[in-house]
Amino acid sequence: NAGVTQTPKFQVLKTGQSMTLQCAQDMNHNSMYWYRQDPGMGLRLIYYSASEGTTDKGEVPNGYNVSRLNKREFSLRLESAAPSQTSVYFCASSDPSRSNQPQHFGDGTRLSIL
Amino acid sequence: KQEVTQIPAALSVPEGENLVLNCSFTDSAIYNLQWFRQDPGKGLTSLLLIQSSQREQTSGRLNASLDKSSGRSTLYIAASQPGDSATYLCAVFRASARQLTFGSGTQLTVLP
Repeated sequence: NAGVTQTPKFQVLKTGQSMTLQCAQDMNHNSMYWYRQDPGMGLRLIYYSASEGTTDKGEVPNGYNVSRLNKREFSLRLESAAPSQTSVYFCASSDPSRSNQPQHFGDGTRLSIL
Repeated sequence: KQEVTQIPAALSVPEGENLVLNCSFTDSAIYNLQWFRQDPGKGLTSLLLIQSSQREQTSGRLNASLDKSSGRSTLYIAASQPGDSATYLCAVFRASARQLTFGSGTQLTVLP
């Protein structure tokens, strides 16, 4: 019962470095999401993928890119990290065609940009 | 734009009390409303989901209600326990936007 798996769990970067956050789900969900969580602000949507081969911007997409590699995997890339991107990043998946099914979340990636 | 507000931001109660957490949203055109629990340093765990056609859902000591017309939901926790201490997040899903919008959460502390 892996659910949603995120790697890495922790990462420290220097300003200007790049990195990719990985996410995989084993529930055969069509939709996948990337959120960031900052203190006192709840979760904000960065990008989402309604189905394999499609991606759309969320509320805070600037400075990020995503790739829906296949139905299972959805990655988030920071091309040139900035201190403002220090946050906790969560990946989630769901089957939105079923209104009684919640989103399932990974355990998060804690990212610090120095 | 959908906005979700949770009041209070923090709540501390003695063990055994019944309590209510509040969530309000500005756009009533929702697909469903979800309540999550988040423990420190952890991800989100789904507690209850109320579809737009429903009025309430129950799971054990938890009961969530939904009033779409007034843009409000409540999470009722009966006979609170120290293990209930966590942050509780409310989120609404709009089918038109295909995304969840979260409130900023209520941090609950249940004192032994």
